[in-house]
Amino acid sequence: QVQLQESGPGLVKPSGTLSLTCAVFGGSIRSDNWWSWVRQSPGTGLEWIGEIYHSGNHNYNPSLKSRVTMSVDKSNNQFSLKLTSVTAADTAVYYCARVLGRYYVDSWGQGTLVSVSS
Amino acid sequence: EIVLTQSPATLSLSPGARATLSCRASQSVSFYLAWHQQKPGQAPRLLIYDSSHRATGVPDRFSGSGSGTEFTLTISSLEPEDFAIYYCQVRADSFTFGPGTKVEIK
Repeated sequence: QVQLQESGPGLVKPSGTLSLTCAVFGGSIRSDNWWSWVRQSPGTGLEWIGEIYHSGNHNYNPSLKSRVTMSVDKSNNQFSLKLTSVTAADTAVYYCARVLGRYYVDSWGQGTLVSVSS
Repeated sequence: EIVLTQSPATLSLSPGARATLSCRASQSVSFYLAWHQQKPGQAPRLLIYDSSHRATGVPDRFSGSGSGTEFTLTISSLEPEDFAIYYCQVRADSFTFGPGTKVEIK
């Protein structure tokens, strides 16, 4: 049973960069799965941010594409998210998750709250 | 972009009752729809995928049906731990989640 754990700063200043890492336990990031980020805020519900494969291939939500970068660290079995030029609207609980097949999100991490405030 | 609509927004039922939740897609998704359950303070959990297949460890009181644009999640007899928010989810170019149905204790 794969488990995922998010880590990173809980507070980011406006116009700064949000950086999060997701460690994968009980499975390999080199497996035939894509790895995803999803965020949740009261105002926008569950919002998919993007996904990445261990090769580095990625897909991003068009609404966030200009600000998002994802990467994979195979040596440490983890993947990362960077979101630039953040505003208060980016305040949310951020989840990492595994993609089942190509259609579904499963094996969610516990989530980490990131607040954007000065 | 596919838009998902869930109804009702809130369902107030007693333990032991049958719950029927609906999800409608703005365009056909064939049978490629999932249901997730989220309890307060917890991450979502995948319950159903491919419209009707239960994920590992999901009790058989949960069942899904539908295809095209109309889908249903049924909980045959509500247990205390089933009171939660349920989201439907599809994937076209992006993953999309519905706004959720809250199942609360009556």
